Amino acid sequence: DTAVSQTPKYLVTQMGNDKSIKCEQNLGHDTMYWYKQDSKKFLKIMFSYNNKELIINETVPNRFSPKSPDKAHLNLHINSLELGDSAVYFCASSQWGSTEAFFGQGTRLTVV
Amino acid sequence: KQEVTQIPAALSVPEGENLVLNCSFTDSAIYNLQWFRQDPGKGLTSLLLIQSSQREQTSGRLNASLDKSSGRSTLYIAASQPGDSATYLCAGYSGGYQKVTFGTGTKLQVIP
Repeated sequence: DTAVSQTPKYLVTQMGNDKSIKCEQNLGHDTMYWYKQDSKKFLKIMFSYNNKELIINETVPNRFSPKSPDKAHLNLHINSLELGDSAVYFCASSQWGSTEAFFGQGTRLTVV
Repeated sequence: KQEVTQIPAALSVPEGENLVLNCSFTDSAIYNLQWFRQDPGKGLTSLLLIQSSQREQTSGRLNASLDKSSGRSTLYIAASQPGDSATYLCAGYSGGYQKVTFGTGTKLQVIP
């Protein structure tokens, strides 16, 4: 059983398109995150949701909009994709109060 | 603002050698530190979590230490194996909520 699963694993799309990445966790955690890993392997937090409420919103373009329909899901929607959005995006979850995070496999987004 | 640095950026060692990976952080208010390994196409795997009240954690051939006063953490790998080849990331937890800052990683190659 996969604890944190992301779909799709790979995503190639053209500039200007709108795309979504889905994330689901079956660990019963109440906090979920999105991270972006750039070409230098540096991971940066983008968003954090606790009980479906936005907790962390780092400096991310408005084209990125997270949506949490319930505690087990945190989807990432990206509008008007740009070349610079190409990266690997990781979803993670944890229980509030515990900082041990569980990560998904990542979604490699390539914008052409 | 928390900054996390890992040295070296890349490391190549012969099989069987003991090695140490270093992680430095600027904010001594860090309260937990976590080590991950990242394998291509497999996302992030949590290795060890050191809580603020602890100084080290051990799991098998791995030992991680945390010295908050000096802003350093080390990951010691004993008797390295080719299967240990991966990128190792440290992540520091700080701030009023679950904010995680990742280091740039150390790419380890263990040569048979």
